Amino acid sequence: AQSVTQLDSHVSVSEGTPVLLRCNYSSSYSPSLFWYVQHPNKGLQLLLKYTSAATLVKGINGFEAEFKKSETSFHLTKPSAHMSDAAEYFCVVSDRHTNAGKSTFGDGTTLTVKP
Amino acid sequence: NAGVTQTPKFQVLKTGQSMTLQCAQDMNHEYMSWYRQDPGMGLRLIHYSVGAGITDQGEVPNGYNVSRSTTEDFPLRLLSAAPSQTSVYFCASSPSVGQGPETNYGYTFGSGTRLTVV
Repeated sequence: AQSVTQLDSHVSVSEGTPVLLRCNYSSSYSPSLFWYVQHPNKGLQLLLKYTSAATLVKGINGFEAEFKKSETSFHLTKPSAHMSDAAEYFCVVSDRHTNAGKSTFGDGTTLTVKP
Repeated sequence: NAGVTQTPKFQVLKTGQSMTLQCAQDMNHEYMSWYRQDPGMGLRLIHYSVGAGITDQGEVPNGYNVSRSTTEDFPLRLLSAAPSQTSVYFCASSPSVGQGPETNYGYTFGSGTRLTVV
């Protein structure tokens, strides 16, 4: 079985300060992990993915995530927030032994960026 | 532009009506899926397909049918609309979902269909 928990439903930061969005996962086998971003009234866009090649994954728009197996975490970070980062973010886990077609989405974290 | 196209963008149905949400992709992706998004609940998988002629149920399949006669198209049919089906529906595709992190490419999403059932 697989599951994903986004630890914060809302995060608020000031422009220019660091962003941390937290995600913990549960997976019986080697997981695939993803972060997606959704701007208001838009579809989801892939930010980055964990492919097992490196534990620190770099994505678009300056975002990074670190895979920590011992902590079962895949937190999303960005050194300096921009107003355009305000959106909803989803952490996703896919377990190859739970049928490769079934990914599990977290409930989402809404990021607010204050000027 | 290549991608996933969903139509219509908005739809209002009366309880008991049926309709089909259309989804088409021009990237030759094997895998396609339908999700619904409800406030505070993330995205939930309705149905998915790993290739033409092959479909399977997701987490919340009741009240919905799918078919995959071509690689490009994956329509979602609501058989008899109910207010509980009021939601935003997203279609997604992927080259494949692989058998591990190395070959799991993630999804390309359509822009969504906002459905209201009254």
